[in-house]
Amino acid sequence: QVQLQESGPGLVKPSETLSLTCTVSGGSINNYYWNWIRQPPGKGLEWIGYIYYSGSTSYNPSLKSRVIISVDTSKNQFSLKLSSVTAADTAVYYCARKVVSPYYFMDVWGKGTTVTVSS
Amino acid sequence: DIQMTQSPSSLSAAVGDRVTITCRASQGIRTYLNWYQQKPGKAPKLLIYAASSLQSGVPSRFGGSGSGADFTLTISTLQPEDFATYYCQQTYTISPITFGQGTRLEIK
Repeated sequence: QVQLQESGPGLVKPSETLSLTCTVSGGSINNYYWNWIRQPPGKGLEWIGYIYYSGSTSYNPSLKSRVIISVDTSKNQFSLKLSSVTAADTAVYYCARKVVSPYYFMDVWGKGTTVTVSS
Repeated sequence: DIQMTQSPSSLSAAVGDRVTITCRASQGIRTYLNWYQQKPGKAPKLLIYAASSLQSGVPSRFGGSGSGADFTLTISTLQPEDFATYYCQQTYTISPITFGQGTRLEIK
């Protein structure tokens, strides 16, 4: 079955760019929407954005000016870049697959990776 | 943005109890409503999609209902493994997708 695995640095300095990659295994990246969601310590879930396998994207307006999500179909991977990070960006970051026909829901999630923003 | 409000924020219940969690949207979202379960240190797990459809592999004691702006998640007979935090999520709007604040279900 499809599995997702997040990877990337666990510590990022303030004002720098957070970069994470999600690797899709056991299935194709094609024909789905691929999402990033984060969860600050002790808090709820926040949707960051998604990318379709074709490359079209949608971002949370609250983060849009700092976010870029990209896809590499040849590697079955998609990535997140979040620029100008602050302590408020400290969170567990999840990648998730979104099914879109006919209803939209996230049926497969990665285990999550903790990112701490600190000098 | 569509705001999702869950109630209660926390709940104590005993094994065998019937539990209901409510989610209200700030505007109508038809049945574009999903429910997730999250245990400490783990990723969310999809339970219910499209307001009332049970995800494959999820026990039948979980049920969802509602449409428009008001939704409920019901656990008919609580099991020890059901103690967790539950989130509703709306996918009616492409952006942003929003979640409720979560309902923490604790053992009485």
